Amino acid sequence: DQQVKQNSPSLSVQEGRISILNCDYTNSMFDYFLWYKKYPAEGPTFLISISSIKDKNEDGRFTVFLNKSAKHLSLHIVPSQPGDSAVYFCAASAEHYGKLTFGQGTILTVHP
Amino acid sequence: NAGVTQTPKFQVLKTGQSMTLQCAQDMNHNSMYWYRQDPGMGLRLIYYSASEGTTDKGEVPNGYNVSRLNKREFSLRLESAAPSQTSVYFCASRTTITEAFFGQGTRLTVV
Repeated sequence: DQQVKQNSPSLSVQEGRISILNCDYTNSMFDYFLWYKKYPAEGPTFLISISSIKDKNEDGRFTVFLNKSAKHLSLHIVPSQPGDSAVYFCAASAEHYGKLTFGQGTILTVHP
Repeated sequence: NAGVTQTPKFQVLKTGQSMTLQCAQDMNHNSMYWYRQDPGMGLRLIYYSASEGTTDKGEVPNGYNVSRLNKREFSLRLESAAPSQTSVYFCASRTTITEAFFGQGTRLTVV
């Protein structure tokens, strides 16, 4: 039972344009959501998070949107840069300290 | 500040051999996690430990055991390695209110 799903295995975007990565979840107990970026041969690194009491969180070029009724979150990267090319994982947890469940990941390629 | 340190970085095992993957964090985090990453499968949770002295199964615990030796260290043991356990293994740690921090990973091949 995949509780966190990223249905797009890959996304290709032109430099300077917006990248939108999507994530769906099924467990209504999830109350904290995170996005991670991963380069080859490295561990995932934290990008941005959002609590279920918010519907938007912004950090520089990165914005995460949460739609609780649809059980959907998205990550917007504006403007996209070639250095953003990586695998992006969304993750969710209930009660902050519990299990941290990840999606399958989306490979983002930003073309110069 | 080392963060989360995993050893070894690479390992090749023969089917049936055993080994322990080591993980240590220096951030005084309560929770620690072991994940495996396989193509198309994302990061799947093997075991986690919410605090020293406690461990719980994740999505894919079969074939693995863990030990939360103290607050800093969380080890993952493969008692009898199988080719299906060929993967990249990541350890992570977290407090109750922060994001999880990951180690650099251990690339394990079972032949």
